[in-house]
Amino acid sequence: GENVEQHPSTLSVQEGDSAVIKCTYSDSASNYFPWYKQELGKRPQLIIDIRSNVGEKKDQRIAVTLNKTAKHFSLHITETQPEDSAVYFCAASRNTGGFKTIFGAGTRLFVKA
Amino acid sequence: DTEVTQTPKHLVMGMTNKKSLKCEQHMGHRAMYWYKQKAKKPPELMFVYSYEKLSINESVPSRFSPECPNSSLLNLHLHALQPEDSALYLCASSSPGRSNEKLFFGSGTQLSVL
Repeated sequence: GENVEQHPSTLSVQEGDSAVIKCTYSDSASNYFPWYKQELGKRPQLIIDIRSNVGEKKDQRIAVTLNKTAKHFSLHITETQPEDSAVYFCAASRNTGGFKTIFGAGTRLFVKA
Repeated sequence: DTEVTQTPKHLVMGMTNKKSLKCEQHMGHRAMYWYKQKAKKPPELMFVYSYEKLSINESVPSRFSPECPNSSLLNLHLHALQPEDSALYLCASSSPGRSNEKLFFGSGTQLSVL
């Protein structure tokens, strides 16, 4: 069945360093790859996304890359700040009459001041 | 209005109770979703409604019964739940059009089954 693997499960970085989170998906029909940030006790919120016809997308300090052949995609956060501390979920989505979005297990990011 | 509103925020129920979770959005979104999230786990898809019709049911036990009365409302009816059903229940919606995969989540209902 569909599966999204995410690594690492926990990531601790110093403020100002970069953070990289990697995901692999199994469903070749997936064509949309969002990343969600969830702070403690809050709802998941979309931070960046990429479609399967694009290899890379950047939004200020956040970038996402996609290797469709290898079914890999990654989140890159540069110049990390303490407020970046949260759980980050990657996801893979496809349209089956309503979008089926499967989430990775999550990465708990700690940014130390 | 750019929010998905869920009520109640917290719910405690016994295993013999019947209760309902409610979700509302006024963004014109035509797909609505129920997700279940256990502590320190990712959201897990339960149901998808597209244009008020159930399009995806992820083999959810019948003690969970979804309902979409109209394009703005989504309910989840609960009956004879088990303690392991305790979790955060998240509603989400997505819009028609090119960016229709983007999920907008509500704040969730924290459910405890005693």
